[in-house]
Amino acid sequence: DTGVSQDPRHKITKRGQNVTFRCDPISEHNRLYWYRQTLGQGPEFLTYFQNEAQLEKSRLLSDRFSAERPKGSFSTLEIQRTEQGDSAMYLCASSLPLLEDEKLFFGSGTQLSVL
Amino acid sequence: TQLLEQSPQFLSIQEGENLTVYCNSSSVFSSLQWYRQEPGEGPVLLVTVVTGGEVKKLKRLTFQFGDARKDSSLHITAAQPGDTGLYLCAGANNNNDMRFGAGTRLTVKP
Repeated sequence: DTGVSQDPRHKITKRGQNVTFRCDPISEHNRLYWYRQTLGQGPEFLTYFQNEAQLEKSRLLSDRFSAERPKGSFSTLEIQRTEQGDSAMYLCASSLPLLEDEKLFFGSGTQLSVL
Repeated sequence: TQLLEQSPQFLSIQEGENLTVYCNSSSVFSSLQWYRQEPGEGPVLLVTVVTGGEVKKLKRLTFQFGDARKDSSLHITAAQPGDTGLYLCAGANNNNDMRFGAGTRLTVKP
């Protein structure tokens, strides 16, 4: 399977704990996006990378959130000192550069529940 | 504030009925995309519309891009229970990243 994969699918944690999610994009895609989605809403943009460079970060993203894509392949999203409001589905997507092909391919997401 | 406004937010219809959902913005987009999302899964791309006034058909689904490239519509003919899902529109903004509307949640009852 050469689609976008995310790990874990589900994560339950206690408030104040740190969590880390992983995303493996489609191999030839140099763009990688992180979105957050809550029930009944569309995906909310968090950040995106082109290769290893983080080109944009949403101002909604607090300092507790950090994302990396060290070698331009897989990416990690870390949330420190989780809060109950962080509970959401975290979606990763990858694409070729939008000017070439504007298709986003999404993974199945990581569902985070903060107790 | 949503860059893209979708309406209606919820829609529940009987199998066999027709429906139209809308995606509107005050911004001009180089293209708009429509995705469908099922519970517990990521969105899946249905179509990309690029040219103002463009109409694309995908079986029973008809997508239209407004002449001014600020709005789009999705029309489904003879809806089936398998069409149930969250329909999202998305467009690339000035920073060249994709932003989504809040979606229309469609339920088709058998």
